[in-house]
Amino acid sequence: GNSVTQMEGPVTLSEEAFLTINCTYTATGYPSLFWYVQYPGEGLQLLLKATKADDKGSNKGFEATYRKETTSFHLEKGSVQVSDSAVYFCALSANQAGTALIFGKGTTLSVSS
Amino acid sequence: EPEVTQTPSHQVTQMGQEVILRCVPISNHLYFYWYRQILGQKVEFLVSFYNNEISEKSEIFDDQFSVERPDGSNFTLKIRSTKLEDSAMYFCASSGPGANEKLFFGSGTQLSVL
Repeated sequence: GNSVTQMEGPVTLSEEAFLTINCTYTATGYPSLFWYVQYPGEGLQLLLKATKADDKGSNKGFEATYRKETTSFHLEKGSVQVSDSAVYFCALSANQAGTALIFGKGTTLSVSS
Repeated sequence: EPEVTQTPSHQVTQMGQEVILRCVPISNHLYFYWYRQILGQKVEFLVSFYNNEISEKSEIFDDQFSVERPDGSNFTLKIRSTKLEDSAMYFCASSGPGANEKLFFGSGTQLSVL
């Protein structure tokens, strides 16, 4: 069946450091891929998405590229800020909207100044 | 920005008791969902709901679970007889009004079954 595996956290970085959170997936067909973020005390929010191979999703300085050959969708940001501290979830869905999402376990990012 | 509201934020119950988790979706949304995350594990899909009926459910969503939209604004998840393993963070989400629009999530209800 479909599944998502993302790197275990927590990830602890200093402000302005480079961030990578790895995500790989197993799926039949051609899923859409998503990154969700959960800030403390808030709900999950869609951060970015990509709906087909080689698409790059980007938002708020974060980006991720849909790599079919490596079944990956790694999240990157060139320079993190303290306000980026949150839990990040990689997810896939059989449709572009992301209904009936399959999530990874989540990776906690802590950024210190 | 409109948001999905979940109450309570924390719920403690005794094993075997019934519990109802409440959600107020975004007002013009027509599609509703429940997910849960057991501590240290993945966020898991439970059920989706549209037009007053369940449109999809996972293996987790057994006869102990039910969902209801009792009025025009609330969407509830009922667990009939809670078990220890039902302890988790439960997330409500909504989308719409169209069929393929992005999900908006609530901040979750942490359920602890003792």
